[in-house]
Parts: sequence; structure tokens; C-alpha cells
Amino acid sequence: AQSVTQLDSQVPVFEEAPVELRCNYSSSVSVYLFWYVQYPNQGLQLLLKYLSGSTLVESINGFEAEFNKSQTSFHLRKPSVHISDTAEYFCAVGYNYQLIWGAGTKLIIKP
Amino acid sequence: EAGVTQSPTHLIKTRGQQATLRCSPISGHTSVYWYQQALGLGLQFLLWYDEGEERNRGNFPPRFSGRQFPNYSSELNVNALELEDSALYLCASRGTGYREQFFGPGTRLTVL
Repeated sequence: AQSVTQLDSQVPVFEEAPVELRCNYSSSVSVYLFWYVQYPNQGLQLLLKYLSGSTLVESINGFEAEFNKSQTSFHLRKPSVHISDTAEYFCAVGYNYQLIWGAGTKLIIKP
Repeated sequence: EAGVTQSPTHLIKTRGQQATLRCSPISGHTSVYWYQQALGLGLQFLLWYDEGEERNRGNFPPRFSGRQFPNYSSELNVNALELEDSALYLCASRGTGYREQFFGPGTRLTVL
């Protein structure tokens, strides 16, 4: 069965510092991987996706994630966070046109 | 292009009542998904509709039900409301052949 693990429920980081949010998945079939972001009191927004091709994918607001098949990981990184990045981040793996979700990681930016 | 819309934004009910939540997908999307996001419990999959048919449901009791209309909009019904049904209910839509889902802003259901 497919599953997604986000080990960190919260990640505190100082503003302008780098951050990595970890995501590991288990899947025995072709993987489609996603990161979504949920700002306070809002729905989820697609941040970036890996469907095929280049293993490094980037978003328009400076986040990137790398698909690592051997480590079954899809960690999310940003070299310098801003206060506006405060949100909860969800990793998901696509299976049979559904999404299997991680538990989410709250990114807390300290001024 | 309009995104996924949900109504109402907020809904307050008392225990035992019924709640009806509505979702309009992105134009051209035929799949609609419903999720429950209760405090501290992450995203829990409720229902998946595609082309008017229920394709899958999550581990929820039968008092959670829904339907998809010919225009692909969808309705989630929760009967015999319980206090623990209080949550943010999110709807998402997906285009045919695509993998990603696009979410609406959610309906906040409060059961008193």
C-alpha cells in the first residue's frame, strides 16, 4: 500500500535561513509526487509536482524539491525563507488518480 | 479561469441535524474529491466522484454521502451530525488524464 511520511510536524526556522521539509513515500508503482501549501484559514494550493523527467522541480516562489528514487524521498527545500512562507506544507503521492497524503509539516518562521 | 468554489463558507449546525455542502469544480474538470480536515488530524479522504459516479470512499460512516450532478458540481451531505464532525471540508477537482488536484477554499462546519 502507498503511504507518505512527513516526520516533522513542525519546523521552526529563522527568517532568511534555509529550510528543508522532509517527505518519504512508499510505492510499488510509478510515482507522481506533489507538495501543497495551506496558508492559515485557506484551502490547499499546489506548490510543485513531479510527474516524470527531471528529478529536480521548482516553484515560482523559490521552493524546490528533488525526487530521489533510491531513497524514496521528495524533500522540499528553500534557500532563504520569508515570513510569508509561514504555512502548513503537505506532501502527497498519486495513486490510481487519488492522492495519498502525509500528515503535514507546519513551517514556523522566527523573526 | 475560475477556480474551485465551495459554499457556504461557514455552516453552524446543532447535533443531530443535517448539513449540505456544495462544490463547483474548475470548468472542464470531471472529477471531484471531498476531504475532511479536523483540527490536528490532517487531510482525511471522504469521497471521489467522476463522471457522475462514486469511484471510491474513505473510512467514514454511511451518514457521510454525496452526489455529482450532470454539470460535475457536487454535494456532500452529512446526516445526524455529531460534535466530532466539526471540521474544514475541502473539495478538490481534477481534469481528465491529469494527476494533480485543485482545491477550493473549504467550508468550515461547526457542530454545537
